[in-house]
Amino acid sequence: DGGITQSPKYLFRKEGQNVTLSCEQNLNHDAMYWYRQDPGQGLRLIYYSQIVNDFQKGDIAEGYSVSREKKESFPLTVTSAQKNPTAFYLCASSIVGYTNYGYTFGSGTRLTVV
Amino acid sequence: QQPVQSPQAVILREGEDAVINCSSSKALYSVHWYRQKHGEAPVFLMILLKGGEQKGHEKISASFNEKKQQSSLYLTASQLSYSGTYFCGTFDLANAGGTSYGKLTFGQGTILTVHP
Repeated sequence: DGGITQSPKYLFRKEGQNVTLSCEQNLNHDAMYWYRQDPGQGLRLIYYSQIVNDFQKGDIAEGYSVSREKKESFPLTVTSAQKNPTAFYLCASSIVGYTNYGYTFGSGTRLTVV
Repeated sequence: QQPVQSPQAVILREGEDAVINCSSSKALYSVHWYRQKHGEAPVFLMILLKGGEQKGHEKISASFNEKKQQSSLYLTASQLSYSGTYFCGTFDLANAGGTSYGKLTFGQGTILTVHP
């Protein structure tokens, strides 16, 4: 079955460390997205990418970085510059970035800074 | 800008109806609706396109008034399985370096609880 795989499900990070969250999809979707979810704030867009080797900053990109070397993969690095990284991170994909198709979400990674 | 959802929370008994509203300050290409169970991924429900259309999904339907930049989600004869957080997402185009990119911005969510 096609879908989006995020790993790990839970991640603990020490302050000052960078950490990379994995997102892989086998849906053959062109566009991929990273959202951050905090209680009561909905989902906020971090980065998005419509094609390989191209990505755009979302609304809260500071302290994060991404790469899109393969269509299937869109890893997110949470850097030490991100002041409050503890959150639930969701990866999503869609058929094409600017047409009207629903997004498919992965099951998320819960990151905790200890 | 983030769309605004109302109400923030709804509590229902099985069989009751509910309406969730989503308003935006920007002109919209389309509105998405998703439902998220606690600790799980959001699940796509439906898309409303420009043209004021109304769509249905089982006993869940929605409308989109592009003039008012509003969408409403209607849940009729609610079931226990309807419990969760409902998000609207407003879709528009962002420009960067002369290229248009589609972007979905979510509201803060409406928590729906259905009791037996």
